[in-house]
Amino acid sequence: DIQMTQSPSSLSASVGDRVTITCRASQSILSYLSWYQQKPGKAPKLLIYATSSLQSGVPSRFSGSGSGTDFTLTISSLQPEDFATYFCQQSYSTPYTFGQGTKLEIK
Amino acid sequence: QVQLVQSGAVVKKPGASVKVSCKVSGYTLTELSMHWVRQAPGKGLEWMGGFDPDDGGTIHAQKFQGRVTMIEDSSTDTASMELSSLRSEDTAVYYCAIGGNLGLDYWGQGTLVTVSS
Repeated sequence: DIQMTQSPSSLSASVGDRVTITCRASQSILSYLSWYQQKPGKAPKLLIYATSSLQSGVPSRFSGSGSGTDFTLTISSLQPEDFATYFCQQSYSTPYTFGQGTKLEIK
Repeated sequence: QVQLVQSGAVVKKPGASVKVSCKVSGYTLTELSMHWVRQAPGKGLEWMGGFDPDDGGTIHAQKFQGRVTMIEDSSTDTASMELSSLRSEDTAVYYCAIGGNLGLDYWGQGTLVTVSS
């Protein structure tokens, strides 16, 4: 199975900050990497697919990059509604494993 | 617009089985690739299984082999996931979700399954 490792596991930031979350795969997954946002008590929401494609309706302050084994999610200017937990997921091969999550908290 | 509506929360005893259903609307189930993901309390997301693009069938994560059954009823556009031999570690919110190589873009609201004696 492909292991996905996210860092950091938690992050404190302020409104307006630029933040970056990284995800590393244990082997190449080409560009088959998605990012999700999850708020307490809610289902995850797809933000980015295929490494850098923004899901419809997702604000442009979210962006993704990378290829192979190393990927990043960047939020250019944090808004109050962005404080949540973020997960990466590889869909290169089954099982479609997730990273362990990054909890983004208000500083 | 696809909508996924799941069955309600349940409590089961260890050793029992549970069946979670996921009703699709807006599309027919045969047009979609269904997956199941679970999340233990306070933990991360765990892909359990779903549509296998390699052969068009269903594939399960190794850890659930022999315990999980995923069924799709095209007559009612309802997918179901049955997990047997439940143990306390199976206590989780179970989600159905639609998607595949380009991510899971539609999710059900989640079904809490509590395993407790």
